Amino acid sequence: EVVMTQSPATLSVSPGERVTLSCRASQTVSSNLAWHQQKPGQAPRLLIYGASTRATGVPDRFSGSGAGTEFTLTISSLQSEDFAVYYCQQYNNWPLSISFGQGTRLEIK
Amino acid sequence: QVHLVQSGAEVKRPGASVKVSCKASGYTFNSYDINWVRQATGQGLEWMGWMNPGTGSAGYAQKFQGRVTMTRDTSTSTAYMELRSLRSEDTAIYFCARGRRQFDFWGQGTPVTVSS
Repeated sequence: EVVMTQSPATLSVSPGERVTLSCRASQTVSSNLAWHQQKPGQAPRLLIYGASTRATGVPDRFSGSGAGTEFTLTISSLQSEDFAVYYCQQYNNWPLSISFGQGTRLEIK
Repeated sequence: QVHLVQSGAEVKRPGASVKVSCKASGYTFNSYDINWVRQATGQGLEWMGWMNPGTGSAGYAQKFQGRVTMTRDTSTSTAYMELRSLRSEDTAIYFCARGRRQFDFWGQGTPVTVSS
């Protein structure tokens, strides 16, 4: 199974800052990577798929990059509504397996 | 607009089974896979498997093989996930999500509590 490792576990940032979240795969997943945002008490929301394509309706302050085993999600200028938990998800091994990272929590500094 | 509406919270005894439903609307049900993902309290996301509503075929994560079944009723555009032989570690919120590999729409989640 492909193990996804996200870093850091928690990030304390101020509104308006630029932030970069990291996700590493234990083996190559090509560009078969998505990012989801989850707020407390809500279902996850798809932000990015194909490592760098924004989902419908996602603001352009969110961007994804990377391929192979190293990926990043960048938020160019944090808004109050962006404080949430972010998960990366690989789907390279579909239909045999799909796996998520353990999440990065963005907190208000 | 696309909606996935799940059934309500469940409380089960260890060893019992639970069947969660996910009613789709706003799109052609047969055209998109339905996946199931669960999340224990304060924990991350765990993929359980997928089901193709058009064919009825399904695939399950190895961890759940033999204990889970994913089905559908095309007449009501509803997907189902049944988990058997429940144990306390199965206490979680269960989500359905649309898509073959990346999940673009999610249900609101169904809390399942397993307790004696």
